[in-house]
Amino acid sequence: DTGVSQDPRHKITKRGQNVTFRCDPISEHNRLYWYRQTLGQGPEFLTYFQNEAQLEKSRLLSDRFSAERPKGSFSTLEIQRTEQGDSAMYLCASSLLSTGQGNYGYTFGSGTRLTVV
Amino acid sequence: AQRVTQPEKLLSVFKGAPVELKCNYSYSGSPELFWYVQYSRQRLQLLLRHISRESIKGFTADLNKGETSFHLKKPFAQEEDSAMYYCALRSGGSYIPTFGRGTSLIVHP
Repeated sequence: DTGVSQDPRHKITKRGQNVTFRCDPISEHNRLYWYRQTLGQGPEFLTYFQNEAQLEKSRLLSDRFSAERPKGSFSTLEIQRTEQGDSAMYLCASSLLSTGQGNYGYTFGSGTRLTVV
Repeated sequence: AQRVTQPEKLLSVFKGAPVELKCNYSYSGSPELFWYVQYSRQRLQLLLRHISRESIKGFTADLNKGETSFHLKKPFAQEEDSAMYYCALRSGGSYIPTFGRGTSLIVHP
């Protein structure tokens, strides 16, 4: 396990198509986060999971977006009926929440760059 | 609401010059502050966090609650420091960090 893996690295899709991204976190990490990053901006929070439970979703996550983490391991992010405004880098991060120690930071994947044409 | 402001999109210095990347935050409670770095063609990675009071690659950052700042400093910049730097804040009641828009540091030879 060398870190957080994201697949695919790049995705070009036509407007209106559905796309799905996958994230494999560090195996012992119980928290998994999805972020979106557009040009000139920092990462913007979308949603996060603790184990298999989706605990919070940003208002950025419209009803066209859905995320799952069925067994508390890998996660998928699906975008339905893609729009040009969905073009961005989608980042996944994971972390380990240790009781009494707090959250020491996040390990990010390389991201999936989505281009909607 | 919590907010992180990095006022400079770009900071350009010469090798050996001191560097200060500014970060101001808005949060009423006790925040946790982080600096993340992204080198060219690499993933975003944690550089340092305020609770550890550590120096990483010669960089330090001090949390100033009075000025609500967490500026990143290095006395002598190196060419390999050229990267995007993001300041992030995590509030006590949340495990979700909020990121600034980033500052691109370019260190010229």
